[in-house]
Amino acid sequence: GAGVSQSPRYKVAKRGQDVALRCDPISGHVSLFWYQQALGQGPEFLTYFQNEAQLDKSGLPSDRFFAERPEGSVSTLKIQRTQQEDSAVYLCASSLVSGTGMAPLHFGNGTRLTVT
Amino acid sequence: GESVGLHLPTLSVQEGDNSIINCAYSNSASDYFIWYKQESGKGPQFIIDIRSNMDKRQGQRVTVLLNKTVKHLSLQIAATQPGDSAVYFCAEMGAAGNKLTFGGGTRVLVKP
Repeated sequence: GAGVSQSPRYKVAKRGQDVALRCDPISGHVSLFWYQQALGQGPEFLTYFQNEAQLDKSGLPSDRFFAERPEGSVSTLKIQRTQQEDSAVYLCASSLVSGTGMAPLHFGNGTRLTVT
Repeated sequence: GESVGLHLPTLSVQEGDNSIINCAYSNSASDYFIWYKQESGKGPQFIIDIRSNMDKRQGQRVTVLLNKTVKHLSLQIAATQPGDSAVYFCAEMGAAGNKLTFGGGTRVLVKP
């Protein structure tokens, strides 16, 4: 496929469980982003990678959130000891340019996480 | 702080009419603006973008206007169709990097 692919599409976790969300960006895209979207709200920035380097993680809400992109392609967002407030849609996006270049972010359809 | 907001949370439009969605931004240093369309259960879909050195850009049935003096952005959709029903977000990016900041969204409902 030509777009950003995210899996799983839906994830239900019991409070306290760990989850891992996967993102396959568009091939060749240097930049990768994770966003969190609560119901009825706009996406909120979590973290940003340029290739394998995590250049900005200022949006991660707590140290229970961890993201990696070890080979500069696929990325995983991990949430440890999930809490109910973590319930949201987690969106991944990729972009062709890096640094101060400006190009639109292309989003996947997200993973809807529900913590019970 | 940096923020992007929208004036109208819901816009109801008759099919065939033109739609105008407005957005105010607070960061005067923003260099790049994007409009996204989000349908239920899907991720935001790119519609059109504009850089701060422009005040108007046209696409297919869509036009984005940028007024830097009053920090206002708008999206015009011509001949609105049922498939245009969605939530629309404006987003801004500063010159420093790639972080997009989104507003809260406007829901557009197209009446047949």
